[in-house]
Amino acid sequence: DAGITQSPRHKVTETGTPVTLRCHQTENHRYMYWYRQDPGHGLRLIHYSYGVKDTDKGEVSDGYSVSRSKTEDFLLTLESATSSQTSVYFCAISELANPHEQYFGPGTRLTVT
Amino acid sequence: GQNIDQPTEMTATEGAIVQINCTYQTSGFNGLFWYQQHAGEAPTFLSYNVLDGLEEKGRFSSFLSRSKGYSYLLLKELQMKDSASYLCAVRGGNTPLVFGKGTRLSVIA
Repeated sequence: DAGITQSPRHKVTETGTPVTLRCHQTENHRYMYWYRQDPGHGLRLIHYSYGVKDTDKGEVSDGYSVSRSKTEDFLLTLESATSSQTSVYFCAISELANPHEQYFGPGTRLTVT
Repeated sequence: GQNIDQPTEMTATEGAIVQINCTYQTSGFNGLFWYQQHAGEAPTFLSYNVLDGLEEKGRFSSFLSRSKGYSYLLLKELQMKDSASYLCAVRGGNTPLVFGKGTRLSVIA
């Protein structure tokens, strides 16, 4: 299994509070991704990174920001959490953008009340 | 943009064969992937197709027709542990992977 961890694994927070989710990899892979998964929508890309300090927006980036100051860490921040951001968040890594497959972390279940 | 369609749910019998279809529309094409996701777990990679034809990996095979924008995942000798969601994902011209909504497969005795 690829070495990917996510923290926290579960979090309950209140509307309006900032939240940061962490993804950590030990594979030295260049690409890292943040997805959210919701019933009826499947996996949707929030942001991705193609190197240290190099990030780009995905399909559903509004309300989220990311940072990557080291190869191994990719942080996802919800600047002011809303109930619509209640979801399961997955981090993924890949060695090359194409064609190598992505390896997923265990996920973080976030509930915004 | 990209559009990926796959059936929402399927049911099949233990020991049988099941085919899960995926149709897609993309600008450019750099590969199609199939992932398996058990309930409450992370997706795991199953297969990758970039050229037309069939790729076989044990009980699982994946087929691609680029001209038709069509792929299928074939699961043989179904086992109860194959009950999971199967996600079709496509990489377009120079864009990140886009996932379909997934097909939930239930294997019954």
